Amino acid sequence: RKEVEQDPGPFNVPEGATVAFNCTYSNSASQSFFWYRQDCRKEPKLLMSVYSSGNEDGRFTAQLNRASQYISLLIRDSKLSDSATYLCVVNLYNFNKFYFGSGTKLNVKP
Amino acid sequence: NAGVTQTPKFQVLKTGQSMTLQCAQDMNHNSMYWYRQDPGMGLRLIYYSASEGTTDKGEVPNGYNVSRLNKREFSLRLESAAPSQTSVYFCASSEFGGSNQPQHFGDGTRLSIL
Repeated sequence: RKEVEQDPGPFNVPEGATVAFNCTYSNSASQSFFWYRQDCRKEPKLLMSVYSSGNEDGRFTAQLNRASQYISLLIRDSKLSDSATYLCVVNLYNFNKFYFGSGTKLNVKP
Repeated sequence: NAGVTQTPKFQVLKTGQSMTLQCAQDMNHNSMYWYRQDPGMGLRLIYYSASEGTTDKGEVPNGYNVSRLNKREFSLRLESAAPSQTSVYFCASSEFGGSNQPQHFGDGTRLSIL
């Protein structure tokens, strides 16, 4: 079983739409959670950390559900520039290892 | 604000040649990592170094060696390159321990082996 699982998509949405991605993780000892964005063949870039109480950064909202072991990312008012692959990452910081999902591809269309 | 710097950015090798990929970070991070990413696939951890003086195997270490030269630098060596090692290689660093310490990535080395 993979440590982190994501729906690969693609999610094809029109500009202005709201879209949500989920990600599940298998290790209940996971301690830190992140969403990264990766453009085609570029390096992953940190989009946002995910805090236990949930957090928001502009059009992006992240939620953590420890009981069900999943995290989510909500993007409101999608822009063409949001088209990318979104990677879910969990960390066991006692071992300082990061586990990456395979990514969810988002295509925002005019 | 260089962050994580990788060299070279592109390289073409012949089967059997050797080379070293260089990575340096200026964020005073303790931990450093090497990943490879193949087309349409996720990141796979090759080796990591939790702190200066230590290295550990990741998911796909075969055919690679690493050296944690000092706190700043972590190199990846291919002793005898094979076509299966054609990939994009990313180096990353992070602080060790504590919560919500993300990884920061270099912009990658695109390696082709003929």
